[in-house]
Amino acid sequence: GESVGLHLPTLSVQEGDNSIINCAYSNSASDYFIWYKQESGKGPQFIIDIRSNMDKRQGQRVTVLLNKTVKHLSLQIAATQPGDSAVYFCAEGSGGNTPLVFGKGTRLSVIA
Amino acid sequence: EPEVTQTPSHQVTQMGQEVILRCVPISNHLYFYWYRQILGQKVEFLVSFYNNEISEKSEIFDDQFSVERPDGSNFTLKIRSTKLEDSAMYFCASRGGYYGYTFGSGTRLTVV
Repeated sequence: GESVGLHLPTLSVQEGDNSIINCAYSNSASDYFIWYKQESGKGPQFIIDIRSNMDKRQGQRVTVLLNKTVKHLSLQIAATQPGDSAVYFCAEGSGGNTPLVFGKGTRLSVIA
Repeated sequence: EPEVTQTPSHQVTQMGQEVILRCVPISNHLYFYWYRQILGQKVEFLVSFYNNEISEKSEIFDDQFSVERPDGSNFTLKIRSTKLEDSAMYFCASRGGYYGYTFGSGTRLTVV
């Protein structure tokens, strides 16, 4: 069936470096993508989203890139900080009341 | 910032007992969801609710599960006879429009 998946289950980066977390999706009908951050014992926290009519969106220290041709989504975190250590999930939606489908998650560990 | 509130934060119950997990969605939101996350795994969709009825449910959401919006503010998930494998984090989410899901912090359910 349709699914969302991640290329890398774990990622370790040095503090101050940039991080890139990747996600592959397979539902071509998806038109909305979200990156969530989840810290231990907490719920998914919205980071940034992007709609399918865009290929890049920037926030504070974060950038999401969408490549619809290869169905790929990435999250870039600039100047990674210890507080960025968490599990990051991508999720996809296709409008209406269709529920979000989450990927497996990537654990980001920031080395001070 | 409006929040989705979930109670309790942690529930321990004996196998076979009924549990009710409670959620207060954001007040002007119209779409409501329950998701669950087994430890170390991805967030999985359970059920969506709109206009006082279930609009979609997953294979996980069997006859042991039910949802209710008993008044204008609460949204509950009931598990009639809990099993060990129901142990997970349960997240409530609400959405006001096409986009913009907000998740609660979750209820950790432990079935013993």
